[in-house]
Amino acid sequence: DIVMTQTPLSLSVTPGQPASISCKSSQSLLYRDGKTYLYWYLQKPGQPPQLLIYEISNRFSGVPDRFSGSGSGTDFTLKISRVEAEDVGVYYCMQSILLPPTFGQGTRVEIK
Amino acid sequence: EVQLEESGGGLVQPGGSLRLSCVASGSTVNRNYVSWVRQAPGKGLEWVSVIYRGGHTYYGDSVKGRFTISRDNSKNTVYLQINSLGAEDTAMYYCATFDYGGNPPGDALGWGQGTLVTVSS
Repeated sequence: DIVMTQTPLSLSVTPGQPASISCKSSQSLLYRDGKTYLYWYLQKPGQPPQLLIYEISNRFSGVPDRFSGSGSGTDFTLKISRVEAEDVGVYYCMQSILLPPTFGQGTRVEIK
Repeated sequence: EVQLEESGGGLVQPGGSLRLSCVASGSTVNRNYVSWVRQAPGKGLEWVSVIYRGGHTYYGDSVKGRFTISRDNSKNTVYLQINSLGAEDTAMYYCATFDYGGNPPGDALGWGQGTLVTVSS
């Protein structure tokens, strides 16, 4: 199985400041069709996960533009340009290039 | 975007069974890759199963032989039959749509609200 490793596992951020989460995969997530099967989800407290980013850098419908994704191959980053109180929760990266899809351990973001 | 609504969870005794349902709206289940993902209390996300657009089905090792995924296109619904339940199956079960490498893209991305399965005597 592909192992997804997120760092850091927790993050405390002052509102208005940027935040960055790294996700590394044990194998390349770039398929020969040119697509990279890397997703980012946010699970707010007491809620189901919600899709933020698909295929590295595409923001899902309704996701604020302060969220951005980047990377390639095996190294990926989710950035929040200016953290807001509503951004608290656990962030997960996920790969679906190979079965079984696997998730990172999650990064808990809290507000200082 | 597809909206997904799960149901069918509940309290079940060890060894028991349940059938979970995932009803889709805004897109059809047979034009998407409908997956089940579960989350044990206080834990991370674990992929359980998927039914592909073409009908192929796949399972995680921890549920293979006990869980069965299926769909009813006329009801735009995907089911997860879960048998021989143990305490380790206690979790929130979510259905979700996302793409899989090497396959044509699905029509829509989405994630449901979840249905809770509790296995306890």
